Order: sequence, then structure tokens, then C-alpha cells
Amino acid sequence: DTAVSQTPKYLVTQMGNDKSIKCEQNLGHDTMYWYKQDSKKFLKIMFSYNNKELIINETVPNRFSPKSPDKAHLNLHINSLELGDSAVYFCASSQGGGVNSYNEQFFGPGTRLTVL
Amino acid sequence: SQQGEEDPQALSIQEGENATMNCSYKTSINNLQWYRQNSGRGLVHLILIRSNEREKHSGRLRVTLDTSKKSSSLLITASRAADTASYFCATDAKSGYSTLTFGKGTMLLVSP
Repeated sequence: DTAVSQTPKYLVTQMGNDKSIKCEQNLGHDTMYWYKQDSKKFLKIMFSYNNKELIINETVPNRFSPKSPDKAHLNLHINSLELGDSAVYFCASSQGGGVNSYNEQFFGPGTRLTVL
Repeated sequence: SQQGEEDPQALSIQEGENATMNCSYKTSINNLQWYRQNSGRGLVHLILIRSNEREKHSGRLRVTLDTSKKSSSLLITASRAADTASYFCATDAKSGYSTLTFGKGTMLLVSP
């Protein structure tokens, strides 16, 4: 069984469109994350949710809006897509994630977004 | 801001040789983790070392942590072609909500 799954795996779309990426984890974890990995493989945290509540929101344009309908899901909606949004987006989850907790993170397979 | 910096950026070795990757970071940490990423895949957690630990082993992996130098190393012994991947260190900040800050990674190529 897949622990952290993302859909779609590939997404090719035009500038200006709105798109969503879905993430689900079946590990029973409390915390979920979205990361962006650029073409140079640099991985940067975007958002973190703990028990459906937003706890980390890095400097991300407000065109990006995460939504967590329940602990097992964290979706990412992107409005008005721009060329610079092209990247691989990874969802991850961890058991902990609270203050001063130790947590290893489990990553999904990634969604490769290409904006034309 | 970027926390971990891996060195070297790329490493090419023969099967059976050892591979050593280094990571330096800037601020105080709760723990440091190493992840592997195979081409086109997500990251896989390898090992976590806490700030009060100096060395940890897991199978063919050996991780050291020197908090006075703010550095860590990952040693893979007796490497195999299947070890070919990118390796990232990630630091978990000392205060606040747990969050990982990743370096740019070391690309390891193990040739048969």
C-alpha cells in the first residue's frame, strides 16, 4: 500500500490556469507538508499542517492555497499559474511535527508541474 | 534561508568503494536527517541523528555529527550500483515547530 500518494504525477498546463494537486497519507500521521523542488534539486518547504491547522507558511505567493479537509489529506491549489511555478511538488507527512518534536518525514512520489 | 550545504555536489565511485558526503549548516538544530532521492522519485528517509548524539549507524550507513563545527557526514560503505541517487541532509531547527530545511544534495554515481 502506498504510504503517501499524490495525484497527478505529471501536470502540463498553460500560464494563467488554475490547477490542484492532491495528497493523501494512510500512515495516521498528524502533520503534512508541501515542498517545492526546483530544477537544481533545491527542496524548499512551502506549507505545513498539523491536525488540519496551518502551522508553517513560508514566503509563498498567495496564489498557492493549501487545504486540509482532514488529517489524511492536504491538497494544494494554485491560481493563475506562472512559468516560474514549474517544478516538482512533493507532499510529505510525519507523526510528530509539534514544537521540539523529532520527526522523520515520509514523502510522496512528487508531481511534476510544467507551465507553458 | 538555506541551511544545509552538502559537499561534494557530485561524487563518482566504483562498486565496493566507500562514499563520504559532508553537510554543513548554520543555526542550532534539534536533529539532522539524511535522505536519499532516486531519479524521478520522492525522498526516502535514511537516518536521523539528534543534537546530543555524535555518531549513528544503520546497516552500511554511518553518520557523524559535530555540533561545534555545525557539520555532519554520511558514509556509505561497500557501495553498490543501487546506491546511485542524490543524498540530502536536512536540519530540524532547535526551536519552534519542527520543520526540515534541506541542502542542495550530493549526487552519487556508483559504477559497476
